Amino acid sequence: DAKTTQPTSMDCAEGRAANLPCNHSTISGNEYVYWYRQIHSQGPQYIIHGLKNNETNEMASLIITEDRKSSTLILPHATLRDTAVYYCIVRVAESGTASKLTFGTGTRLQVTL
Amino acid sequence: DGGITQSPKYLFRKEGQNVTLSCEQNLNHDAMYWYRQDPGQGLRLIYYSQIVNDFQKGDIAEGYSVSREKKESFPLTVTSAQKNPTAFYLCASTLVGGRGNTEAFFGQGTRLTVV
Repeated sequence: DAKTTQPTSMDCAEGRAANLPCNHSTISGNEYVYWYRQIHSQGPQYIIHGLKNNETNEMASLIITEDRKSSTLILPHATLRDTAVYYCIVRVAESGTASKLTFGTGTRLQVTL
Repeated sequence: DGGITQSPKYLFRKEGQNVTLSCEQNLNHDAMYWYRQDPGQGLRLIYYSQIVNDFQKGDIAEGYSVSREKKESFPLTVTSAQKNPTAFYLCASTLVGGRGNTEAFFGQGTRLTVV
């Protein structure tokens, strides 16, 4: 699976949009981009994933660049409860394949009043 | 409700003792994973399994062992050979399939303290 690079930490004011970048310049054509978040001392929670089109769900939006070498997770109206570590990973999703599912160190998002 | 369950939530053991952490899922997922997390750090993969009776080493397998006798269960044994076993341990499971529907579901973790 391709390696990802994320900033170590970011701050965001409550009510504003939080834009979390991820670089995955070595991504392969069959690898999806997944985002998870981990609130302190809990198991990570799935947020969203995509292949090449932008995606939106009730939690967030995922913007993937046309060359697929980077992506941005957008939390449209951040709240204090969105304070967490956000992980971006890339993963092959082919029938019969379970890749290693490797996490990096993520981005620590601090939402402030 | 479907989900993935780790037990116990907190575990204390004396140094030199083996200890087994439980992970059970009723999601009918094929693949299961064990991670270790140290304070302020990311998740490091210990072992993973794609199918019953098969498993592969992750990045930090030394001092750990696993078994996968049933699809629903993937217990992790922390052996006395693990030099620094105190950590937060997380178990996850996923489908093995196409169309990207392989998001991981995580348990709530077991915090192991070795004294």
